[in-house]
Amino acid sequence: QVQLVQSGAEVKKPGASVKVSCKASGYTFTNYGISWVRQAPGQGLEWMGWISAYNGNTNYAQKLQGRVTMTTDTSTSTAYMELRSLRSDDTAVYYCARGEDTDYWGQGTLVTVSS
Amino acid sequence: DIQMTQSPSSLSASVGDRVTITCRASQDISNYLAWFQQRPGKAPKSLIYAASSLQSGVPSKFSGSGSGTDFTLTISSLQPEDSATYYCQQYNSYPYTFGQGTKLEIK
Repeated sequence: QVQLVQSGAEVKKPGASVKVSCKASGYTFTNYGISWVRQAPGQGLEWMGWISAYNGNTNYAQKLQGRVTMTTDTSTSTAYMELRSLRSDDTAVYYCARGEDTDYWGQGTLVTVSS
Repeated sequence: DIQMTQSPSSLSASVGDRVTITCRASQDISNYLAWFQQRPGKAPKSLIYAASSLQSGVPSKFSGSGSGTDFTLTISSLQPEDSATYYCQQYNSYPYTFGQGTKLEIK
């Protein structure tokens, strides 16, 4: 069965960086991309970007350009999302999901940015 | 960016009822439209892709329709476990965007 298992919760100070991992299993990793979506407390879903697990091509949300990097490690079927220069409004649950139509989702990773 | 507008923002219905949620795109997205269910404290769950195709394992009480700019999600025979927030998302063109969500309460 398809599973996406994300890394644990993080607490970071403003200005720091965070890197969230998403380990995939149950399917051929390189046949699908990975989307990243975040959700601030009490808010809706926000699309952050997408990476092809086949060739590493990426597409990022304009508002995050320059602060976000998405990568994959095909040897371990793991995707990563790094967000730099963290601000308080980056506090959110971060989700990875399979493909562009996001048919399977990880359990979410809470990232708290606080001084 | 393509704006996705859902209506209503919230609704209340009784067990056994049928409800319809609408999602309107600010431009033509063909059928690149997905619907998700999110219960409190849980990750979103995919219900529908390509506007009307049911994800594997999702009960047939959920159905989607539409193309172009206007889409609907219909949930029939409501049960208490259908209480959740429902989101639409377009994946026709970057940046992919979500509707603001519709909170469904079961009376």
